[in-house]
Amino acid sequence: DTGVSQDPRHKITKRGQNVTFRCDPISEHNRLYWYRQTLGQGPEFLTYFQNEAQLEKSRLLSDRFSAERPKGSFSTLEIQRTEQGDSAMYLCASGGYNSPLHFGNGTRLTVT
Amino acid sequence: GQQVMQIPQYQHVQEGEDFTTYCNSSTTLSNIQWYKQRPGGHPVFLIQLVKSGEVKKQKRLTFQFGEAKKNSSLHITATQTTDVGTYFCAGRNTGKLIFGQGTTLQVKP
Repeated sequence: DTGVSQDPRHKITKRGQNVTFRCDPISEHNRLYWYRQTLGQGPEFLTYFQNEAQLEKSRLLSDRFSAERPKGSFSTLEIQRTEQGDSAMYLCASGGYNSPLHFGNGTRLTVT
Repeated sequence: GQQVMQIPQYQHVQEGEDFTTYCNSSTTLSNIQWYKQRPGGHPVFLIQLVKSGEVKKQKRLTFQFGEAKKNSSLHITATQTTDVGTYFCAGRNTGKLIFGQGTTLQVKP
């Protein structure tokens, strides 16, 4: 068990730029989740996949956010035309059906 | 949409005192999970409760799931400085897991 891996650990970008984050889940886990967390708050659900299928996306998520898991293994989260309000920790987690989530260390995004 | 509320937001206790955090969901849950996040770290799974009225213990930690499967609690007996961190409940009623805003515990030695 090598754990959930996220890349990069930190990303600083200028407002209006696009950014992409990568998550490599634990290999035997078929479900992959993306969350966003700001200081003093709990992880906010963004979207999740079962294998390569995106099963649910938060209604709070704007069209600037998109996620993919093309081969049912790693996943990418892209944010287009970043805004300062997008600054947060982006957490990826993997797990099985109705089982605990294993979180990665996250990608901290700062939009200047 | 589904909401999970947690109280209190912060709790400061003297080492050796007890601590309880409460979690309430706006919808009936299929299960509830508890996580702990240390400062600068990521959430780490503690336990999952599935059955109505279920009670589980882990050493000094006692977890309960309400009869209606809409609320839960975590109680820590005789806190230690190693218990410091933020405790999150997370409820599931479809595929997604919705987290509460957490209770941050500070323990004074």
